[in-house]
Amino acid sequence: EEKLVESGGGFVQPGRSLRLSCAASGFRLGDHAMHWVRQLPGKGLEWVSGISWNGEMRGFSDFTKGRFTISRDNAKNSLYLQVRSLRAEDTALYYCAKGSGYKGSWYSGTVFDIWGPGTMVTVSS
Amino acid sequence: SYILTQPASVSVAPGQTARMTCASATFVRKSVHWYQHKAGQAPVVVINDDTVRPSGIPERFSGSISGNMATLTISGVEAGDEADYYCQVWDNGSQHWVFGGGTRLTVL
Repeated sequence: EEKLVESGGGFVQPGRSLRLSCAASGFRLGDHAMHWVRQLPGKGLEWVSGISWNGEMRGFSDFTKGRFTISRDNAKNSLYLQVRSLRAEDTALYYCAKGSGYKGSWYSGTVFDIWGPGTMVTVSS
Repeated sequence: SYILTQPASVSVAPGQTARMTCASATFVRKSVHWYQHKAGQAPVVVINDDTVRPSGIPERFSGSISGNMATLTISGVEAGDEADYYCQVWDNGSQHWVFGGGTRLTVL
């Protein structure tokens, strides 16, 4: 069974940094583009960032404004999201998701076919 | 920026048909994907590429596109279908993935 599990969320003070992790099992993460999607409290889904299967290309939503970094370690079957200078408005449930295409890019248009249950990030003093 | 517009809520009685729409300026050269999201769970794709139903998704779920409107239809709605439903496309113009605001399906 293909699964994703996020970790690294928690309570963080404004201005601090946080690194979220996403561990894959049941498939080779290195064969797929990967994404981070978030859900603000009481709001809908919002794409954060995507990375191609080999890590060579990355894309970000405008709101990330250079504070977010996406990376991957295919040898460890893991995806990461580094967030710097955290703000209250970054409070959200963060999901990782797998792009369905084989060795695809984050902009290939293929559906996000596997999602993790999410990890909650709360930014508050 | 590219926008997908979904009604905030749809309510149907069990056994009836639910139709949830996703409106855009254009769906030309775009594939629409639909996700079901239940509280506390991971989102699940119920329709990809406009009309394709993934394995394991009941035949009651179907997708269609007509002009600038994509529609997710659930026939014979069951209590377990109660969830938020999101449409999604890749917008080549902005180089962003875009989600609609989501529709909450309530089974009366």
